[in-house]
Amino acid sequence: SQQGEEDPQALSIQEGENATMNCSYKTSINNLQWYRQNSGRGLVHLILIRSNEREKHSGRLRVTLDTSKKSSSLLITASRAADTASYFCATDAWTGANNLFFGTGTRLTVIP
Amino acid sequence: EPEVTQTPSHQVTQMGQEVILRCVPISNHLYFYWYRQILGQKVEFLVSFYNNEISEKSEIFDDQFSVERPDGSNFTLKIRSTKLEDSAMYFCASSEGILGGETQYFGPGTRLLVL
Repeated sequence: SQQGEEDPQALSIQEGENATMNCSYKTSINNLQWYRQNSGRGLVHLILIRSNEREKHSGRLRVTLDTSKKSSSLLITASRAADTASYFCATDAWTGANNLFFGTGTRLTVIP
Repeated sequence: EPEVTQTPSHQVTQMGQEVILRCVPISNHLYFYWYRQILGQKVEFLVSFYNNEISEKSEIFDDQFSVERPDGSNFTLKIRSTKLEDSAMYFCASSEGILGGETQYFGPGTRLLVL
């Protein structure tokens, strides 16, 4: 299976702290995407990093990708209570197919 | 900012009934997808659709499922005879490009409950 696995499964931090979530996957990929999901709601795309990229930034988000270790990390800096959500990594197949494989997610709670 | 929309937001149906879930992808996008998320579980790929035909489908997408683009804007998922285990959140997504690796934008989902 190509599906990613995030760790930790749950993370609780104080507002203002940084949150780091990790994702590991099993097979070669074209790219890796991070999504956010508020409880019972839709998936919001955060950032896409391609297999030939090592790091990408978007606002308070920083994503790294290590294809040799088949892993990625999502760092949220200066967290806010509104960042409370589940965060998922999703990979696509190297074959060029477009379907995404999602991980199990990290449930982040930011305490005000 | 353009977004994917889905209707209805919630649907309750009896086992064995047919349901149609509707989606309006982002207008200039070419690839469309359906995913589902059973409560507490991972988001799972169902099917992708390009150029008016299925591009890929998963093992979950059996003969009970079908997809259609009946006009220039709508993209539908039909479940012919619902089962209890079809209860899930169903997400539609679309992407702009025809190459792998394009960002997929998800709709808010339809929560389907089969009784």
